[in-house]
Amino acid sequence: AQSVTQLDSQVPVFEEAPVELRCNYSSSVSVYLFWYVQYPNQGLQLLLKYLSGSTLVESINGFEAEFNKSQTSFHLRKPSVHISDTAEYFCAVSKSNTGKLIFGQGTTLQVKP
Amino acid sequence: DTGVSQDPRHKITKRGQNVTFRCDPISEHNRLYWYRQTLGQGPEFLTYFQNEAQLEKSRLLSDRFSAERPKGSFSTLEIQRTEQGDSAMYLCASSQLDSWNTGELFFGEGSRLTVL
Repeated sequence: AQSVTQLDSQVPVFEEAPVELRCNYSSSVSVYLFWYVQYPNQGLQLLLKYLSGSTLVESINGFEAEFNKSQTSFHLRKPSVHISDTAEYFCAVSKSNTGKLIFGQGTTLQVKP
Repeated sequence: DTGVSQDPRHKITKRGQNVTFRCDPISEHNRLYWYRQTLGQGPEFLTYFQNEAQLEKSRLLSDRFSAERPKGSFSTLEIQRTEQGDSAMYLCASSQLDSWNTGELFFGEGSRLTVL
């Protein structure tokens, strides 16, 4: 069975500092990997995804994640965070094209001024 | 607004009552998903439809739960004889089959259920 572990439930960080949100998954087969973000009072939105090809994927707002098959990880990073990045971040995995996603528990990113 | 819409946004009910949630997906999307999210947890998959066909149901979906998508457009999720453990946020999402390669589900803002 697949599972996703987000190692940190809360990550407080000061504005303009770098941040890493960790995600590990377990699966015996090849998977697709995703990061979704949920801003306060909004629905979940896709931030970035890995389906195949380059192991480093980027979002339009400066986040990046690297698929590491040997470590079964898909950590999310940003070199300099903004107050507006404050949100809940969910790592998710899927092994098929059904759209059935297995989510981690979520990490709350709290950016302080 | 052409996103996924859910109704009602909040529902408070007494234990034993029935509740129904509605989801209107993005109009051209042929896949529709229901997830449940409890406090401090990530969303958990419940079921999904491709057009009007319900293709998969999670073990989480007990006999008290039923979902329909009669015309392949909107969907309803009914919970019969609600229990306090049913209190959660119920999320609906949609996607387009032939754009699977984008891997993107579009989520609504959810329907929050509180069972007293």
